[in-house]
Amino acid sequence: EPEVTQTPSHQVTQMGQEVILRCVPISNHLYFYWYRQILGQKVEFLVSFYNNEISEKSEIFDDQFSVERPDGSNFTLKIRSTKLEDSAMYFCASRRDRGQEKLFFGSGTQLSVL
Amino acid sequence: AQKVTQAQTEISVVEKEDVTLDCVYETRDTTYYLFWYKQPPSGELVFLIRRNSFDEQNEISGRYSWNFQKSTSSFNFTITASQVVDSAVYFCALSGVGSSNTGKLIFGQGTTLQVKP
Repeated sequence: EPEVTQTPSHQVTQMGQEVILRCVPISNHLYFYWYRQILGQKVEFLVSFYNNEISEKSEIFDDQFSVERPDGSNFTLKIRSTKLEDSAMYFCASRRDRGQEKLFFGSGTQLSVL
Repeated sequence: AQKVTQAQTEISVVEKEDVTLDCVYETRDTTYYLFWYKQPPSGELVFLIRRNSFDEQNEISGRYSWNFQKSTSSFNFTITASQVVDSAVYFCALSGVGSSNTGKLIFGQGTTLQVKP
C-alpha cells in the first residue's frame, strides 16, 4: 500500500529556533493536511492545503506556522520560533480527493522543544 | 460546530473478553463521514473503518464490528474476543462532506484499551 513519508521521525530543537518538518504525500493525492498530537491528548487538526493554497486552518495555526509544497512532491510545515508548547507529535496526511475513503497518515515526527 | 466525544478514557479487559468503545458525535451537516483509527504504542495512526452517514448498516470485519445509530448520533466499536495486540488508543473521528468542506477530521479524545493476558 502506498505510504505518506515523514522525516525526521524525531526532532529536538531549542526554544526560539525555526524548525521544518517534512512530508512526502502519496504521489497522486491532491489534499494535504497537518495534524498535531500533544502527549496523551487527542489528535488536532492544524491545516489543510489544496491547489497550492491553504483551504482551512485551525486556531492553533497562527502566524508562527506556515506550510509549503515547494516542488510538487514535498509538503512542509515550518514553525518560525518554536515554543515549549509546540512539543508534540506532528502527523502529515493526504488523500486523493475529498470523497476518498480514507486519510492516509504518515508515521509522525516527534518534535521536542527544549 | 462539529464535536466527537469518547467518554471512556481507559478500558482494561482480560484477553478473550468482548469490549465496546463508545463514540458520540455532533454535527450540523446532513452528510458526513465517521471513522475509527487505532494508535498502537508505536504511535502511528492506523485506519480501521469509514462509515458514510446515509449508510446505517452495521459492519463486521473479523473480530471488529461497528454499530452506527444516527438517531442517537453514536458510532460504537466492538472488539470480540480481545487479544493483547488490540492494546492501543482508539480514536473516533468525524469529517464533513460537500463543497464547503476541506475533508479535515475532528477527533475524539481517544480511548486507551489495555488487554491483559
